[in-house]
Amino acid sequence: DAGVIQSPRHEVTEMGQEVTLRCKPISGHNSLFWYRQTMMRGLELLIYFNNNVPIDDSGMPEDRFSAKMPNASFSTLKIQPSEPRDSAVYFCASSLGGDSPLHFGNGTRLTVT
Amino acid sequence: GESVGLHLPTLSVQEGDNSIINCAYSNSASDYFIWYKQESGKGPQFIIDIRSNMDKRQGQRVTVLLNKTVKHLSLQIAATQPGDSAVYFCAENIGQGAQKLVFGQGTRLTINP
Repeated sequence: DAGVIQSPRHEVTEMGQEVTLRCKPISGHNSLFWYRQTMMRGLELLIYFNNNVPIDDSGMPEDRFSAKMPNASFSTLKIQPSEPRDSAVYFCASSLGGDSPLHFGNGTRLTVT
Repeated sequence: GESVGLHLPTLSVQEGDNSIINCAYSNSASDYFIWYKQESGKGPQFIIDIRSNMDKRQGQRVTVLLNKTVKHLSLQIAATQPGDSAVYFCAENIGQGAQKLVFGQGTRLTINP
């Protein structure tokens, strides 16, 4: 199993640009999560999906952030327009749901200048 | 340069010694707990989990202890190896039936040769 796959690994963009982060969960997993990691705030849950349906997006910082899961094998996190304070490492994770561990990808390091 | 932010608790142990990493969790209703290991440039990696109906669980070289009375979780690593050097996070599921993991700030473990 290839694990959770995220792309790109690194993204550098200018303030105001649109950024799209991509995630392919582990096959057979029905829950998908987007986390953000910064030095200031640690690991924060942004949103999670169950069976492709968004369940809890209370962690999404503001309307500039949106996430979609069009099918069981793909999800995107979009930031439009991006701001320097969005600079962070964004992780996608998937799980079998319930009391089962999350499996994380290796993240996308986003730098907004 | 390094940005101002969380100062992670640190723990240094000699190779071959045992280490104990502690974590205080916040929600007395949390019923599922996980320890993760994060190496530089990678996503958090699952180590071991425990449900609230247990107070101890053992894996290979690792043991997790749960004290619900004082809301405390610990991770014991036996016979530490250089590859154990990483940041370790505890996480609690506050989702009340749904899956919503909240992560602690992390502890940086360094194994000295």
